[in-house]
Amino acid sequence: SQQGEEDPQALSIQEGENATMNCSYKTSINNLQWYRQNSGRGLVHLILIRSNEREKHSGRLRVTLDTSKKSSSLLITASRAADTASYFCATAPGGQNFVFGPGTRLSVLP
Amino acid sequence: DGGITQSPKYLFRKEGQNVTLSCEQNLNHDAMYWYRQDPGQGLRLIYYSQIVNDFQKGDIAEGYSVSREKKESFPLTVTSAQKNPTAFYLCASSRGTSGGALIDTQYFGPGTRLTVL
Repeated sequence: SQQGEEDPQALSIQEGENATMNCSYKTSINNLQWYRQNSGRGLVHLILIRSNEREKHSGRLRVTLDTSKKSSSLLITASRAADTASYFCATAPGGQNFVFGPGTRLSVLP
Repeated sequence: DGGITQSPKYLFRKEGQNVTLSCEQNLNHDAMYWYRQDPGQGLRLIYYSQIVNDFQKGDIAEGYSVSREKKESFPLTVTSAQKNPTAFYLCASSRGTSGGALIDTQYFGPGTRLTVL
């Protein structure tokens, strides 16, 4: 199984609703990052949360980290159609390279 | 205009051919990475380089080769030994490591979609 796994695999919501996706990992980390990927494009970095942080905000994004449960969540508030994308969490368990989960595919319906 | 570029955007290969995917960055980043992404899947690491003239295998290096002769360039060759090369290939860069630990986020190129005919 993977170091980082997102849950759910797919999520469909109405515009204006909040979207929550989760990430679980297995080994200790220095930080955890969330990325977004629009269909057929490269990944875009959204937010980085360090292991000594519990919560971080960036615009409509809120990320939490629970190191005791080895899990993180990404909340997108007041979602828009433009938020439709795949979202990935990434960690660097060995400190040498990043490991990405399989992603959550978010669809925001107008 | 700083960033990371990949070319070509689409690439078609006949079976038995080697092809090279280009990746260039002008961010002055030390570390560069190649990933493979299959439909509906996450990213799998092929090769990475933390410094010029040095690179390491990732999880799925078989059938691929790389070089890092210049800091800004990290080309990936998909050889005929790669049995199922049709995929979306992503290149990324980051500032690198500090004290052995990754310290920074990754910046991704737009990707190259490779199709074997």
